Amino acid sequence: DSGVTQTPKHLITATGQRVTLRCSPRSGDLSVYWYQQSLDQGLQFLIQYYNGEERAKGNILERFSAQQFPDLHSELNLSSLELGDSALYFCASSVGSSGNIQYFGAGTRLSVL
Amino acid sequence: SQELEQSPQSLIVQEGKNLTINCTSSKTLYGLYWYKQKYGEGLIFLMMLQKGGEEKSHEKITAKLDEKKQQSSLHITASQPSHAGIYLCGAALQGGATNKLIFGTGTLLAVQP
Repeated sequence: DSGVTQTPKHLITATGQRVTLRCSPRSGDLSVYWYQQSLDQGLQFLIQYYNGEERAKGNILERFSAQQFPDLHSELNLSSLELGDSALYFCASSVGSSGNIQYFGAGTRLSVL
Repeated sequence: SQELEQSPQSLIVQEGKNLTINCTSSKTLYGLYWYKQKYGEGLIFLMMLQKGGEEKSHEKITAKLDEKKQQSSLHITASQPSHAGIYLCGAALQGGATNKLIFGTGTLLAVQP
């Protein structure tokens, strides 16, 4: 168990809908990262937050947004869902903002039908 | 990602045999992280390398980062069925205040008893 908790584990929804994925980092970790894993794109970095502030952005679609709350948990919001958004979404956390080991959660499997 | 090439894509070895997985970057690596993933599950941290020439070992797994910090290898000695899975290298390609990782495409390892 990495100590990073992601909910829900599975999510099935329809095109055009909006969903929220939740992540609780390991105790003491200030950075949260979101990654998307799909068969065709592999594991791709989406966004990083450090202590509530956005620190880095990757190939995150405009339909996707994230935030980190004062208690350091994070949420990834996906809207106007398309079939191609079906993927495994991982959250990872680390102590600092750079040069630290990232510990990954078990992921949320999103299926858009 | 073309910035990070991982080879081979897949590997089938007999139990007890040694094997090596390579990860090559087109840019200087600020940090190189090795993870293992069971299909559809979260990533398990194996090792982190940051200094050129660095070598780390844990049980039967050894990882090295070359002097120029553009290539890393993961070596498994006397492979066992428990080593089977997907091995991913993740690279920090920029310094500064972020630790976003670019991941290789992964190496699928099967160990035949």
